[in-house]
Amino acid sequence: AAGVIQSPRHLIKEKRETATLKCYPIPRHDTVYWYQQGPGQDPQFLISFYEKMQSDKGSIPDRFSAQQFSDYHSELNMSSLELGDSALYFCASSPRKYRDEQYFGPGTRLTVT
Amino acid sequence: AQTVTQSQPEMSVQEAETVTLSCTYDTSESDYYLFWYKQPPSRQMILVIRQEAYKQQNATENRFSVNFQKAAKSFSLKISDSQLGDAAMYFCAYRSARSNSGYALNFGKGTSLLVTP
Repeated sequence: AAGVIQSPRHLIKEKRETATLKCYPIPRHDTVYWYQQGPGQDPQFLISFYEKMQSDKGSIPDRFSAQQFSDYHSELNMSSLELGDSALYFCASSPRKYRDEQYFGPGTRLTVT
Repeated sequence: AQTVTQSQPEMSVQEAETVTLSCTYDTSESDYYLFWYKQPPSRQMILVIRQEAYKQQNATENRFSVNFQKAAKSFSLKISDSQLGDAAMYFCAYRSARSNSGYALNFGKGTSLLVTP
């Protein structure tokens, strides 16, 4: 079965640079969630999209923005990177906004030096 | 905001034995969902089991079962016949069923499970 695809899998950036993370949901899934997991931490919700519109917003810094495109893939744009942004970034998708579980991608490991 | 508490940072179990991981949560909502996710060393988040709050029957998935006590706001995971591949970090997660509360998962801090031969 098709899974959530995230790219790149690993990314190394320097402070103050920008980064773009991509997420391709499972086919026919219209809802996408972004989570950030710092070292030794639990995943923290950043933002979600339903039918290409922002649905919910969590603890996403103002330096970050995201969108969902017409083909339902989503991109997380991160600017003015800080050392504290180093984390594993997960994308998850679900077939409906309401009752279904979220299926996670493998994550993008971002390292800021 | 709902809080999820996993009071056991680490647990250990011998192969073939049974282990129970604890999870409690705090909410004022009556309709919600609870999940257990497994995160092995690969860091992939894998759904283990889910429970709808309106269902009284405890969910079961093969060797994994839950003990859902709604009044006590408790949601423990029992792993039977533990296998070496069960070694991982286990996260308990809460998800509201109300649109104005959002549908994001709210995770506990996790329990690291060690399985010994």
